Amino acid sequence: EAEVAQSPRYKITEKSQAVAFWCDPISGHATLYWYRQILGQGPELLVQFQDESVVDDSQLPKDRFSAERLKGVDSTLKIQPAELGDSAMYLCASSGGPASWANVLTFGAGSRLTVL
Amino acid sequence: QKEVEQNSGPLSVPEGAIASLNCTYSDRGSQSFFWYRQYSGKSPELIMFIYSNGDKEDGRFTAQLNKASQYVSLLIRDSQPSDSATYLCAVGTGAGSYQLTFGKGTKLSVIP
Repeated sequence: EAEVAQSPRYKITEKSQAVAFWCDPISGHATLYWYRQILGQGPELLVQFQDESVVDDSQLPKDRFSAERLKGVDSTLKIQPAELGDSAMYLCASSGGPASWANVLTFGAGSRLTVL
Repeated sequence: QKEVEQNSGPLSVPEGAIASLNCTYSDRGSQSFFWYRQYSGKSPELIMFIYSNGDKEDGRFTAQLNKASQYVSLLIRDSQPSDSATYLCAVGTGAGSYQLTFGKGTKLSVIP
């Protein structure tokens, strides 16, 4: 079964350090999403890509967060500098199957970040 | 601000009972609706999606949609302890509905 790959699964860092997360979507999926999920809350969209272009990054804290999908396949989400409030699960998802499933998101296993 | 509201629970039901999970949404123009299940420490996994008013059944799960009331629900029949998880309601928003807005989730506990 096709999967969304994410790494690392767990990351512990000190505040002010830089952190990067990587995501490889399901092959052929044109749309890629990064969501952040704080414990006890629902996922919140950070950024959405269509191929290599950003569709929506209105909720991305651009002073410290950046995201790229240079070749329209895998993607990297970076945080610099990390703050205590960034502790969360970072979820990557992709979509783009047949028309009836075009907007069905499949999530990766997530990257859990702890900032000390 | 598009909002999706769910009762946070926890909702406790005995094994074999019907669990009913509810969700309301604010954007009347929303066209697609999803239920995801999330076990503790894991990522969300799709259970069902529904686009049209009425009921949609898949095994022990039934999704119900009422666009006039801006209400979507998920029924789980013959609940099992393995159904204990947080259930996330998500609503398709944005151009082409290619963006999901999630509720905070309802935690379900099925008691053996």
